[in-house]
Amino acid sequence: NAGVTQTPKFQVLKTGQSMTLQCAQDMNHEYMSWYRQDPGMGLRLIHYSVGAGITDQGEVPNGYNVSRSTTEDFPLRLLSAAPSQTSVYFCASSYNFWLRDNTEAFFGQGTRLTVV
Amino acid sequence: AQKVTQAQTEISVVEKEDVTLDCVYETRDTTYYLFWYKQPPSGELVFLIRRNSFDEQNEISGRYSWNFQKSTSSFNFTITASQVVDSAVYFCALSEATNAGKSTFGDGTTLTVKP
Repeated sequence: NAGVTQTPKFQVLKTGQSMTLQCAQDMNHEYMSWYRQDPGMGLRLIHYSVGAGITDQGEVPNGYNVSRSTTEDFPLRLLSAAPSQTSVYFCASSYNFWLRDNTEAFFGQGTRLTVV
Repeated sequence: AQKVTQAQTEISVVEKEDVTLDCVYETRDTTYYLFWYKQPPSGELVFLIRRNSFDEQNEISGRYSWNFQKSTSSFNFTITASQVVDSAVYFCALSEATNAGKSTFGDGTTLTVKP
């Protein structure tokens, strides 16, 4: 049971490049999310998914795409990187709390992305 | 829209002091969940507690305790007899009832515990 695995841990991109941040969980969680954390701020929701094939936008979705073809994986795509996307990205997963009590949201270790 | 306010940006205490971190939230939902997370200098997010809106009982876990007051929309976190290892950024978060992954976070409180 590895929990939530994010890759890569560090990445430097040039403006205009594209890339995919990977997120995988092995806990059979229904819900998965992507957040970004900027200095001195909390986490802001980018996109989330309530199950395979279902995704929706969060607070700051512009410039990012997601898909959820399997329960386990929830990749985040940066279409054309911009310096404003320099941030630390966290993936999270959880069960549906309404159906299962005493559960929590599990977070990956984070991906530190720098766009130059 | 949901909102979480952590008015204390930074707190500094001396080891063994008690410290309370404040969290005030706004939501129109009648059912919701509140969380506290710890982010140590290493950067990972560590889950501390989850509380649902139906349960206003205070909770104690070792040196940690949480006071949830629905009447004032607050969910405060107290560390008793603080230790240097408690130094971290602490986040309060609010989520919809069915999806902890769709959470609204406060900006965090940086706690520094000096020896």
